[in-house]
Amino acid sequence: EAGVAQSPRYKIIEKRQSVAFWCNPISGHATLYWYQQILGQGPKLLIQFQNNGVVDDSQLPKDRFSAERLKGVDSTLKIQPAKLEDSAVYLCASSLEGGNQETQYFGPGTRLLVL
Amino acid sequence: DQQVKQNSPSLSVQEGRISILNCDYTNSMFDYFLWYKKYPAEGPTFLISISSIKDKNEDGRFTVFLNKSAKHLSLHIVPSQPGDSAVYFCAAISGGSNYKLTFGKGTLLTVNP
Repeated sequence: EAGVAQSPRYKIIEKRQSVAFWCNPISGHATLYWYQQILGQGPKLLIQFQNNGVVDDSQLPKDRFSAERLKGVDSTLKIQPAKLEDSAVYLCASSLEGGNQETQYFGPGTRLLVL
Repeated sequence: DQQVKQNSPSLSVQEGRISILNCDYTNSMFDYFLWYKKYPAEGPTFLISISSIKDKNEDGRFTVFLNKSAKHLSLHIVPSQPGDSAVYFCAAISGGSNYKLTFGKGTLLTVNP
């Protein structure tokens, strides 16, 4: 079974530029998550989708971050404009239904460096 | 406010000995706990979990213990192997939070041959 795919793996941009990340979850997984992991910290949930609907985006900085999952399968996360503090690894994860005691499977992440 | 705390940034053990990784939490609403393992340049992978109705769960060399009264859990790896060298994240879920994972900062385990 193929795992969660993410691209690109690495991205370097200058502050105030825009960037977009792509995620393809495990086939059949209804729930998709985007996490931000800053160096030395644990992953922090940015947004959770159930199919193509948003379940939780309470920690998403909506003035600069946006995400969509239009067809309920793959998803994109965008930052516009980027700030220095956005330098982090952006992890995508998926799970079957998003219920309790359900394993979340993570992709390899996209490492973003904002200069 | 760190709701899940891993106070040891790193731990070094000898191959064959026991590794004990600790985790404390503050939110009484957490009812499910997980450990994830992360190698460099890879995403976290699920290792083992425990429900709040249990105090122990075992899977091969890995055992997780939960002490609800102390709001403390620990992961025991016996015997430790060099391939276990990775960052270990403790995570918790509250059923009332859309099953959102809250992670600790992680502990880097190094198992020396």
